[in-house]
Amino acid sequence: GAGVSQSPSNKVTEKGKDVELRCDPISGHTALYWYRQSLGQGLEFLIYFQGNSAPDKSGLPSDRFSAERTGGSVSTLTIQRTQQEDSAVYLCASSSWTSRGQPQHFGDGTRLSIL
Amino acid sequence: GEDVEQSLFLSVREGDSSVINCTYTDSSSTYLYWYKQEPGAGLQLLTYIFSNMDMKQDQRLTVLLNKKDKHLSLRIADTQTGDSAIYFCAEGGGGNKLTFGTGTQLKVEL
Repeated sequence: GAGVSQSPSNKVTEKGKDVELRCDPISGHTALYWYRQSLGQGLEFLIYFQGNSAPDKSGLPSDRFSAERTGGSVSTLTIQRTQQEDSAVYLCASSSWTSRGQPQHFGDGTRLSIL
Repeated sequence: GEDVEQSLFLSVREGDSSVINCTYTDSSSTYLYWYKQEPGAGLQLLTYIFSNMDMKQDQRLTVLLNKKDKHLSLRIADTQTGDSAIYFCAEGGGGNKLTFGTGTQLKVEL
């Protein structure tokens, strides 16, 4: 597609449920990133994929968070046993990885609300 | 560790220039970016500059980089009401993740 696509755009769920967030990067972009934006913490890096592997998972806040990427394209971020502090906007970005510094292009995010 | 700071608010009159400032701490930063975020939307890439450059101009946008002081600024000429948004600076150096500032809310008044 023309840009990074994320779904759903909004998700409301009860505490303790599992959620899956999807990201479809720009076609041909080999690098994919997940960030979280919340009022108290600003924009935080979660995880980075190059192809299907994740060289940097350092931002995942707990073992309840996991992500995978298949076929070098779509990625899903899964949050298990959601807590209220997981409420945030989850942003996905992609970039072409021909050299360092390629800019990251963001989707519109998934707004997650935990009741 | 890396830290990026911005002032929280800026208010300007339509037609004036806006200058949004940013300081960063990571001396290994190789690229610095400016993103714009409108309500309910993701981050829109505005421009970026390589750390060996002092200035970059792109239409109404001018980026100035003082590497010695680790200071980055974004100047928007002839600011319009459509420029009202939150502006984030970000640095990318060690590794591939971006470290973002807190964001500056720009309000353009008539």
